[in-house]
Amino acid sequence: GDSVTQMEGPVTLSEEAFLTINCTYTATGYPSLFWYVQYPGEGLQLLLKATKADDKGSNKGFEATYRKETTSFHLEKGSVQVSDSAVYFCALSSGGSEKLVFGKGTKLTVNP
Amino acid sequence: DTAVSQTPKYLVTQMGNDKSIKCEQNLGHDTMYWYKQDSKKFLKIMFSYNNKELIINETVPNRFSPKSPDKAHLNLHINSLELGDSAVYFCASSPSGTGNSPLHFGNGTRLTVT
Repeated sequence: GDSVTQMEGPVTLSEEAFLTINCTYTATGYPSLFWYVQYPGEGLQLLLKATKADDKGSNKGFEATYRKETTSFHLEKGSVQVSDSAVYFCALSSGGSEKLVFGKGTKLTVNP
Repeated sequence: DTAVSQTPKYLVTQMGNDKSIKCEQNLGHDTMYWYKQDSKKFLKIMFSYNNKELIINETVPNRFSPKSPDKAHLNLHINSLELGDSAVYFCASSPSGTGNSPLHFGNGTRLTVT
């Protein structure tokens, strides 16, 4: 079945450091790919998405590129802020399904 | 205005009890979901309803019964609660469609079974 694998956390960075969170997937067909963010005590919010190969999703300085050849959708940000501290989830939906399959989440802590 | 609201925010109860969690969305979406997040933050879908009709029912004990009185509401009733049911339960909604639509999540209900 479909699955998402993302790097284990936690990840701790200093402010203004470069961030990469790796995400790879296994899916039938051509999935849509998403990154969601969960701030403490809140529900998940969509951060960015890409629906076809080579698409780049971007939002709030975060980017991820849909790479079909490597089945990856790595999340990057050039300069993180303390306010980016949260749990980040990679997810996919495939086959026109309404069902999202999530990775296990990566907790990011950014220190001042 | 809260888009997806669920109540209660916290629920502490004893084993064997029956409890309900309510969810409402004011986004006009056709599809609603329940997800369970365990202590390690792993999220797994439980149910999905489209316009009051059940479309996804993952392998969930039948002690869990969703009910959708209308497309803006999806409640979750749990019978005979067990310790392993302790988790955060998230309601979500999306416009129905191809699966490209993002989900809008509520803030979660933290259920603790003692």
